[in-house]
Amino acid sequence: DAGVIQSPRHEVTEMGQEVTLRCKPISGHNSLFWYRQTMMRGLELLIYFNNNVPIDDSGMPEDRFSAKMPNASFSTLKIQPSEPRDSAVYFCASSLVGRGLAGNNEQFFGPGTRLTVL
Amino acid sequence: AQKITQTQPGMFVQEKEAVTLDCTYDTSDQSYGLFWYKQPSSGEMIFLIYQGSYDEQNATEGRYSLNFQKARKSANLVISASQLGDSAMYFCAMRDRNTGGFKTIFGAGTRLFVKA
Repeated sequence: DAGVIQSPRHEVTEMGQEVTLRCKPISGHNSLFWYRQTMMRGLELLIYFNNNVPIDDSGMPEDRFSAKMPNASFSTLKIQPSEPRDSAVYFCASSLVGRGLAGNNEQFFGPGTRLTVL
Repeated sequence: AQKITQTQPGMFVQEKEAVTLDCTYDTSDQSYGLFWYKQPSSGEMIFLIYQGSYDEQNATEGRYSLNFQKARKSANLVISASQLGDSAMYFCAMRDRNTGGFKTIFGAGTRLFVKA
């Protein structure tokens, strides 16, 4: 299995530019999660989807952030316009949730995208 | 509100010795899952071990075991026979039924240093 695939692995952009991060979850998984990791704030859940539907986007910092999941095999996280404080590592993770909370539905993480906004 | 607390920012352990990484959690839900992940310096997040709130036995996976004390709301990770490759950041995480049962929250992490 290929695992969760994220692209790009590294992104350097200038303040004000639009940034699009991409994620391909593991085939067959029905839940997808976007996280942001910084030294100051640790690992934060931004948004997650179940069966392509956004369930909880309360972690999205502000309106500059948006996420979509048009189908089961693809999701994007867009930042427009980007700001230096958005610099972080962005992880996408997927899992198969179907056995309820008693099941081991661990999340499989992608390698992350390291975003630097100058 | 759900909360995960890891009180040890950094830990040192001698190679081949055992080490315990602390984790306490808070949730009002009776049904929840607890996870530990490892993040080496390369940055990827690696799943280590899982404990369900209704599991009566402590979870074990190779050299990893989870010391689950439900009444104390603690889920400490025990690594036996530490190896140099165990040097990494370790995160405790919890999932409960908040907003559909899929949301996982992570602790701040503990950085483990294994000395030769």
